[in-house]
Amino acid sequence: GAVVSQHPSWVICKSGTSVKIECRSLDFQATTMFWYRQFPKQSLMLMATSNEGSKATYEQGVEKDKFLINHASLTLSTLTVTSAHPEDSSFYICSKPWDAANYGYTFGSGTRLTVV
Amino acid sequence: GDSVTQMEGPVTLSEEAFLTINCTYTATGYPSLFWYVQYPGEGLQLLLKATKADDKGSNKGFEATYRKETTSFHLEKGSVQVSDSAVYFCALSRNKLTFGTGTQLKVEL
Repeated sequence: GAVVSQHPSWVICKSGTSVKIECRSLDFQATTMFWYRQFPKQSLMLMATSNEGSKATYEQGVEKDKFLINHASLTLSTLTVTSAHPEDSSFYICSKPWDAANYGYTFGSGTRLTVV
Repeated sequence: GDSVTQMEGPVTLSEEAFLTINCTYTATGYPSLFWYVQYPGEGLQLLLKATKADDKGSNKGFEATYRKETTSFHLEKGSVQVSDSAVYFCALSRNKLTFGTGTQLKVEL
């Protein structure tokens, strides 16, 4: 299967600062990347879908100005949590489809964000 | 909307014990169903899938059967190993993946 490298794996930041999370496709191009968030003891929730060269598509209830997604190249998608607050503390994970017809998705290893 | 409910963990078993992780879903139509596994420090990996009612997905000794009448997709393994320790996610797909909360499995010697 395909390979997605996500980093950092964990980050602690102060309230009011911004944090950037990167997901790189290491083997072949990724025109689409999915971004998920997981709160403790809750499901992975799809936040947005990034598309290379165009605006991301956000799920209902996700603030576009707070969670900035950039997909400027075919190998890199980034999620920036702006003006982070403690309630943004969560586990963020990216995923790309590599065989959508057969439901093949590759996931990054996730980023644990803690805002203090 | 679509939702997936799976049993809370952690589940702790001795090696060679029988494993069942329950998963039920709510969705309109006929979604595809999946089990993903996440080993420590790694990304989620597809473990098995079933795309229609009565299909049985299987991989690495794990099995799950798509039961439409009970809207369930329970994960089973006859004899677990320490190396099976991981977090297991049940998921369904219609136009996007919807996940359960994940169940942590710990297998001890």
